[in-house]
Amino acid sequence: DAKTTQPPSMDCAEGRAANLPCNHSTISGNEYVYWYRQIHSQGPQYIIHGLKNNETNEMASLIITEDRKSSTLILPHATLRDTAVYYCIVRIVYNTDKLIFGTGTRLQVFP
Amino acid sequence: EPEVTQTPSHQVTQMGQEVILRCVPISNHLYFYWYRQILGQKVEFLVSFYNNEISEKSEIFDDQFSVERPDGSNFTLKIRSTKLEDSAMYFCASIGGAADTQYFGPGTRLTVL
Repeated sequence: DAKTTQPPSMDCAEGRAANLPCNHSTISGNEYVYWYRQIHSQGPQYIIHGLKNNETNEMASLIITEDRKSSTLILPHATLRDTAVYYCIVRIVYNTDKLIFGTGTRLQVFP
Repeated sequence: EPEVTQTPSHQVTQMGQEVILRCVPISNHLYFYWYRQILGQKVEFLVSFYNNEISEKSEIFDDQFSVERPDGSNFTLKIRSTKLEDSAMYFCASIGGAADTQYFGPGTRLTVL
């Protein structure tokens, strides 16, 4: 089973920041937090990952709380093309095991 | 940017027929995966493959399923005798190494009639 909890759905106005929360209270010290998204029925797309420091790339920012029990994915300026299901996944670092997907958060960006 | 490709994008078959779904992982990647997603449900792991062997398989991956890397580029999923409940999106993924992340293909929609 997935080790994360996410709200089933969220809305965001186009151009505004979308903040997607994730709880992973049982995360282990050797587990990273990964975020993927799935647009319609396309293949899951990698977004970002982190261990304990905040991370930023061209797609998003990842904020992980100091106790690492929760995190927030931030899309700084959401566009209509960001409408998708966003998955938060914990995964052991330096491991090639399968990804375990939960039900994710369905983000709807509206004009 | 390198990407995982899959063919066909949509496969329609009759129940009981064999299907082969094809994937071309990212060049120089070493670990390969198949996942599936039944319409409206979660993405589920099927099987992982490394060094020409299955590394792990799920309960879904029964004797009707098999995987193969017939050459240096393709990675295939075969379903010997399709059932109605095999209708789903099938995603291939690959990873270069343990420190890498999994990259997914666009998927093959399998429809079993």
